[in-house]
Amino acid sequence: TQLLEQSPQFLSIQEGENLTVYCNSSSVFSSLQWYRQEPGEGPVLLVTVVTGGEVKKLKRLTFQFGDARKDSSLHITAAQPGDTGLYLCAEDDKIIFGKGTRLHILP
Amino acid sequence: DSGVTQTPKHLITATGQRVTLRCSPRSGDLSVYWYQQSLDQGLQFLIQYYNGEERAKGNILERFSAQQFPDLHSELNLSSLELGDSALYFCASSVESYPGNTIYFGEGSWLTVV
Repeated sequence: TQLLEQSPQFLSIQEGENLTVYCNSSSVFSSLQWYRQEPGEGPVLLVTVVTGGEVKKLKRLTFQFGDARKDSSLHITAAQPGDTGLYLCAEDDKIIFGKGTRLHILP
Repeated sequence: DSGVTQTPKHLITATGQRVTLRCSPRSGDLSVYWYQQSLDQGLQFLIQYYNGEERAKGNILERFSAQQFPDLHSELNLSSLELGDSALYFCASSVESYPGNTIYFGEGSWLTVV
């Protein structure tokens, strides 16, 4: 069974700090997607990473796909309260989602 | 606003009852996905339809069924409801059905079974 393990489960940090969250699997994926979900809303796609070793930047968010295409990370620089939310990773068919990292940025 | 519309937004019903959740995909989207989200299980894939045909099936209970109609809207039917079925049910849609494509989620239907 393919699984996506996300860590940490919860993260609460001060505004302005940097952080990294992870999405790991023992399986190889064609691509991985990252979503952010805010309370009362559905997940919103942030990025799709396709190539092993790929790095994509979205303003203060940096996404990396592992060389072996089994894992991915999301790094946020100078976190802001607006970054608060549940960050989910998903495999390319959108059938398997990780349980997410619940991020809270304290002002 | 993702363009995906789900109704009802909130629903409270008793155990043993049956409910229908409705989803209108974004204009032009042919594929519809249904998910169940609970705190302990996370986002669980239930089923996917593409242009009226079932495309993929997850761990959907036999008490649950879904369909996609010719106008592309979809319904998720939940019957013989149990307390454990209380969750947030999401619908998502996409133009195509291929790995890595972008899907758009609705705001979800909160189901509470009492």
